[in-house]
Amino acid sequence: AQSVTQLDSQVPVFEEAPVELRCNYSSSVSVYLFWYVQYPNQGLQLLLKYLSGSTLVKGINGFEAEFNKSQTSFHLRKPSVHISDTAEYFCAVILSGNTGKLIFGQGTTLQVKP
Amino acid sequence: DAGVIQSPRHEVTEMGQEVTLRCKPISGHNSLFWYRQTMMRGLELLIYFNNNVPIDDSGMPEDRFSAKMPNASFSTLKIQPSEPRDSAVYFCASSSPGLAGNTGELFFGEGSRLTVL
Repeated sequence: AQSVTQLDSQVPVFEEAPVELRCNYSSSVSVYLFWYVQYPNQGLQLLLKYLSGSTLVKGINGFEAEFNKSQTSFHLRKPSVHISDTAEYFCAVILSGNTGKLIFGQGTTLQVKP
Repeated sequence: DAGVIQSPRHEVTEMGQEVTLRCKPISGHNSLFWYRQTMMRGLELLIYFNNNVPIDDSGMPEDRFSAKMPNASFSTLKIQPSEPRDSAVYFCASSSPGLAGNTGELFFGEGSRLTVL
């Protein structure tokens, strides 16, 4: 069975600094990978996804992530964060071709300080 | 565009009462998911439907929980009787499969925050 581990529960960072949120997955078969963001009192929304092709994927709000198959990682990065990026970020995985079950990590709270 | 619509947004009830949460998926989406979010356990998939048929309900905590999808535009999650440990935010999400199956892009509602006293 596949699983997702987000290595940091909280990441504090100052505004305009770079940030990396770490995600590792385990699966013996091909998977699709995702990052979702949840702003306070809202539902989750898709930030970016990797299905196939280029291992560097770009998402909304200046975020990008790199799929590393050998390290089974899908870390999320942004070169310069804003206060408005303060939110909870979830990494998720689904078996490619699967008809349903998206598995989420425990989430990482990004706290951007002025 | 109308997104996934959930009601109620907030519900406060007493232990033992029945709770019904409602969801209207995005029109044209044929997969619907119920998730529960708590501080302790994070996001848990409770059940999901494809074409109104329950596919996997292994995440439903116990018999007190039940979910239905009588048609493509409506689903309910019912808890009877409710207990304080059911307090959580319940999210509904919908999606539409691509040519290679579900691509995992879920569209979430804003959630129903349940407090059981």
